[in-house]
Amino acid sequence: SSELTQDPAVSVALGQTVRIICQGDSLRYYYASWYHQKPGQAPVLVVYHKDKRPSGIPDRFSGSSSGNTASLTITGAQAEDEADYYCTSRDTSGNHPVFGGGTKLTVL
Amino acid sequence: QVQLQESGPGLVKPSQTLSLTCTVSGGSINSDSYYWSWVRQPAGKGLEWIGRVYISGSTNYNPSLKSRVTISIHTSKNQFSLRLSSVTAADTAIYYCARWDRTGGDAFDIWGQGTMVTVSS
Repeated sequence: SSELTQDPAVSVALGQTVRIICQGDSLRYYYASWYHQKPGQAPVLVVYHKDKRPSGIPDRFSGSSSGNTASLTITGAQAEDEADYYCTSRDTSGNHPVFGGGTKLTVL
Repeated sequence: QVQLQESGPGLVKPSQTLSLTCTVSGGSINSDSYYWSWVRQPAGKGLEWIGRVYISGSTNYNPSLKSRVTISIHTSKNQFSLRLSSVTAADTAIYYCARWDRTGGDAFDIWGQGTMVTVSS
C-alpha cells in the first residue's frame, strides 16, 4: 500500500475547475509534486515544490497544500487534460520518494 | 536540454537478472543537484519507485525491492544502470529512468520514454 492516498477517479466538465487530492502524513513535512501521464507516454511534471510549474506547463495548473493534504487544481479543464495524475513526495522517514496510487481524470 | 533514454533486453527469463541502462544526453550526469532514479509501472497500474544513485555512487532503494536491486552510476559514459535479480512475472513492467531534482524542487523533472520488460520463459 502507498503512503500517499489518491482518489482512483475524478471527472470534470469541460471548462470547469477540478481539484485532485493527495493525502499522507509525510505531506505535513515535505512538498508534493504532481505528474500527468497520458496513455502510452511517460509521466510529465506539472507542479513541484507545492505550487511551482515547470516551463511550458499552462497556468491553469496550480498546487497547494495544507496539513496532510496536497491538491492539484485545474482551472478551466481542457480535453487534453484527460490523463492519470500522480502525486509524489518523500516517505515518512524522509529517505526516499513515494508515489500516490494515481487519479484518473475524465473530462466530460 | 537533457534527455534520458533507457536501453536493455525486453525479455528476461524467470529467476534471471534484469539489466537496464539509462543514457543521459544534452547534459552531464556529474552534477550534485540530482539523483538518478529508476521507476517502474506494471500494465494498468501505478508508478513504483525502485531506487536512485547519486554522483558519489551512494544509493537508496525501495525497501520492498532492496534485496534484489543494484543501481550504479558510470560517469565516464554519462550513464547509470539498474540490475534486478531473481525476477518473476511480477517484475513485468515499463521501466523508466528519471532525474530527481534535489535542490530545485524535490521532483522528478525529466523522464525517459520508458522501456517494456517482460519476464517470461
